[in-house]
Amino acid sequence: AQTVTQSQPEMSVQEAETVTLSCTYDTSESDYYLFWYKQPPSRQMILVIRQEAYKQQNATENRFSVNFQKAAKSFSLKISDSQLGDAAMYFCAYRSDQGAQKLVFGQGTRLTINP
Amino acid sequence: DVKVTQSSRYLVKRTGEKVFLECVQDMDHENMFWYRQDPGLGLRLIYFSYDVKMKEKGDIPEGYSVSREKKERFSLILESASTNQTSMYLCASSLGGPVQNIQYFGAGTRLSVL
Repeated sequence: AQTVTQSQPEMSVQEAETVTLSCTYDTSESDYYLFWYKQPPSRQMILVIRQEAYKQQNATENRFSVNFQKAAKSFSLKISDSQLGDAAMYFCAYRSDQGAQKLVFGQGTRLTINP
Repeated sequence: DVKVTQSSRYLVKRTGEKVFLECVQDMDHENMFWYRQDPGLGLRLIYFSYDVKMKEKGDIPEGYSVSREKKERFSLILESASTNQTSMYLCASSLGGPVQNIQYFGAGTRLSVL
């Protein structure tokens, strides 16, 4: 079974600085998808960015980018120019390319932005 | 925009009660999911459904059941609520097929069982 590990329960960063959230996963599959989801306080979870494992190029969405290291099974999220609205729980998730579309989530990282 | 609506944000129930958590999506999605979110554990899948009247167990189905009589609605049922089912419950939906694999989430129901 696949597992996802986020080893940083909490992180903090100064506004306008850059922060990197870590995620590692374990799988024997070669094709899969990886996601970062954001859950703001008392609000619904939304997708931040996703990466297809067959793509070598790292995904980027505005201030959010990933460092996908397939051999190391690592998938970190970099947030540049941090803003107060980035404060949230961030979850890393894995989805197999086979079978059902269920997501396997990590434990989450709570990100605080200091003004 | 995709909308996934969970009927209650907060719910307080007593041990032994039968509890229904309702979820409705408005985007004609084939797949629907129920997760449980606990601090330090992330989200864990309870049940999912890929079609009307179809259901599959997730990682932690014990003590739960589900119902999907209509495509847009997916209900989570706690047959006899227990205190260890106090948690945040999240519903999600997604299109079927391999490409459209983004899951959209509801705002969650925080359930307390006393």
